[in-house]
Amino acid sequence: QSALTQPPSASGSPGQSVTISCTGTSSDVGGYNYVSWYQQHPGKAPKLMIYEVSKRPSGVPDRFSGSKSGNTASLTVSGLQAEDEADYYCSSYAGSNSHYVFGTGTKVTVL
Amino acid sequence: EVQLVQSGAEVKKPGESLKISCKGSGYSFTSYWIGWVRQMPGKGLEWMGIIYPGDSDTRYSPSFQGQVTISADKSISTAYLQWSSLKASDTAMYYCARLGGYSGPLDYWGQGTLVTVSS
Repeated sequence: QSALTQPPSASGSPGQSVTISCTGTSSDVGGYNYVSWYQQHPGKAPKLMIYEVSKRPSGVPDRFSGSKSGNTASLTVSGLQAEDEADYYCSSYAGSNSHYVFGTGTKVTVL
Repeated sequence: EVQLVQSGAEVKKPGESLKISCKGSGYSFTSYWIGWVRQMPGKGLEWMGIIYPGDSDTRYSPSFQGQVTISADKSISTAYLQWSSLKASDTAMYYCARLGGYSGPLDYWGQGTLVTVSS
C-alpha cells in the first residue's frame, strides 16, 4: 500500500487560507469516506483535526474544513494563525488487508 | 478523560529485544482498537498495525508483518509493541493511538516512545 500523496509544503500569510491536497486511489481515498487529517507540531504527538472527510472533533476550530472529490481529499485552513504552522498528514481507511494508510505530510508555514 | 500513556525512551543495541507499552484509561479499553504508528527521524507517519484488546484480534500493515508483534493485556488495559531482534533502522518514535471506530480515525494519541538502536 503506497502512501497518499501530499505536497511537501504550503504557506500563507496570517488571515489568508491554505489548502492541502491528498491524492490516493480508488482503493483508499476514493473508495471510502474515512479520510482523516492530523496536525503535528514539532516534538509533539499528532492531533486529529478532521475525520470522515469533513467532520471536526470537539474543540477543533471551524477554520479547519475538509472535502473530497474522487481520489483526492483536501484540507483547508481559513484565517491562518501563527499556531497553525505545523505538519499536516492525511490518512485513509484502505480496506481490511492494508487497513490504514497515511499521506506523505505537508509542512504549513505561516509567513 | 481518555488517556494513553506510553512507556519511556529506550536505548538498545542491534540484536536486542524490546517491548514497549501503551496504557489506556478513561474509557472502555476492550471496546476500541489500538493502533501503532512509526515516525522515523525527520520523516512522516507510518501505519504499523492494530489490535482489538477485547479479543486480541490483530492486523498488521504488510510493511511490518513479521517485523514486530502487537499484543495486549486487557486485565491491565495495556497494549504492547515488541521486537525480537532490533536493527538500527528501527530507530524511531513510536506512537500508540485509539481508533474511534474500526475504520479510524485515530482520535486519541499517546505521547510517543523514542526507541534508539545503536551499537
